[in-house]
Amino acid sequence: GAGVSQSPRYKVAKRGQDVALRCDPISGHVSLFWYQQALGQGPEFLTYFQNEAQLDKSGLPSDRFFAERPEGSVSTLKIQRTQQEDSAVYLCASSQGAARGYTFGSGTRLTVV
Amino acid sequence: GESVGLHLPTLSVQEGDNSIINCAYSNSASDYFIWYKQESGKGPQFIIDIRSNMDKRQGQRVTVLLNKTVKHLSLQIAATQPGDSAVYFCAENLGDSSYKLIFGSGTRLLVRP
Repeated sequence: GAGVSQSPRYKVAKRGQDVALRCDPISGHVSLFWYQQALGQGPEFLTYFQNEAQLDKSGLPSDRFFAERPEGSVSTLKIQRTQQEDSAVYLCASSQGAARGYTFGSGTRLTVV
Repeated sequence: GESVGLHLPTLSVQEGDNSIINCAYSNSASDYFIWYKQESGKGPQFIIDIRSNMDKRQGQRVTVLLNKTVKHLSLQIAATQPGDSAVYFCAENLGDSSYKLIFGSGTRLLVRP
């Protein structure tokens, strides 16, 4: 596609519920990134994929967070047993290489109630 | 639409005036810097970048200045327009981890017509 597509656009989850957030990167982009953006803050790095390999997951806040990209294109960020502190916008970005040329999606706003 | 940042520092300028947005970065080892624009409900959008071996770089209506001595970046927008209203983030890229971006806390720019 022309840009990075994320779905759903908004998600409201009850505390304790599991959620799955989807990212469709730009076709052909090798690198895929997930960032978390709390209200009033800059995005914070969560994890990085190069094709299907998850090369860095150092930013994932807890073992409740899990990301995958099994075929090297679409990626899913899963959050188990959601907590209120998980409420944030989750941004996906893709690029052909490394930090240069990141293209961000519009994000999924997760609200945990 | 939803607000990107409710408690961000705000710069208010008159349409047609020049704007200067400042950013202090954290790591003296960073060698690549990017300015992003984020409109409400959207992901960050690339504006301009600069490498650490440069002091200044110009784009269309925008200029980025880098002062490595005091670890300071600025974004200058000439002839500011209402469409420039958004939150602006600087991001740094650590040389030893070329894919990860570290974002600053952001500045909201409001352009008065």
